[in-house]
Amino acid sequence: GESVGLHLPTLSVQEGDNSIINCAYSNSASDYFIWYKQESGKGPQFIIDIRSNMDKRQGQRVTVLLNKTVKHLSLQIAATQPGDSAVYFCAENQGNQFYFGTGTSLTVIP
Amino acid sequence: EAQVTQNPRYLITVTGKKLTVTCSQNMNHEYMSWYRQDPGLGLRQIYYSMNVEVTDKGDVPEGYKVSRKEKRNFPLILESPSPNQTSLYFCASSHTGDYGYTFGSGTRLTVV
Repeated sequence: GESVGLHLPTLSVQEGDNSIINCAYSNSASDYFIWYKQESGKGPQFIIDIRSNMDKRQGQRVTVLLNKTVKHLSLQIAATQPGDSAVYFCAENQGNQFYFGTGTSLTVIP
Repeated sequence: EAQVTQNPRYLITVTGKKLTVTCSQNMNHEYMSWYRQDPGLGLRQIYYSMNVEVTDKGDVPEGYKVSRKEKRNFPLILESPSPNQTSLYFCASSHTGDYGYTFGSGTRLTVV
């Protein structure tokens, strides 16, 4: 499978600050990417996606940035809240399959 | 409520005793998939199905079987479980394989 990795396994932020979670992917032909959030004891939950014809996409308090030149993806969470504490991982689509990173554990400090 | 339902949530079994983990979705999705999640390895695809009676191997299919006789159901079968299949398993579904998945809540399997 393809390598989809994350720069940091853990990230701690103060409540109210912005969070940035990074992801590197290896296949330049990948054309669709998703960020998932996984809370303890639950399945991954779709947060936001982006296709390769875009550089940026915004949702509610979240923004995904895609840099195809360096094959890098980031998730920005604005005004991080305690409920944002979870593991976040990116997924890269290749045909009928997605390849997932190992995840970054985000801890929000009250 | 749109969802993917897996059963059981937790299962402890012994080596060699056949088991089935069920997965059902109520969204009329054509695409369904099984993943296992292990520490440090992320989610790895076991099998997927593009439609009824159409299944294909993912990255780690050894020791597993699947079937897709109905659109809504996609059971995962371990004919002879071994301790290295101890893991957290997720079923997922999607309209098509190249769009975001809806995941089930997971099945934590322990093989002793």
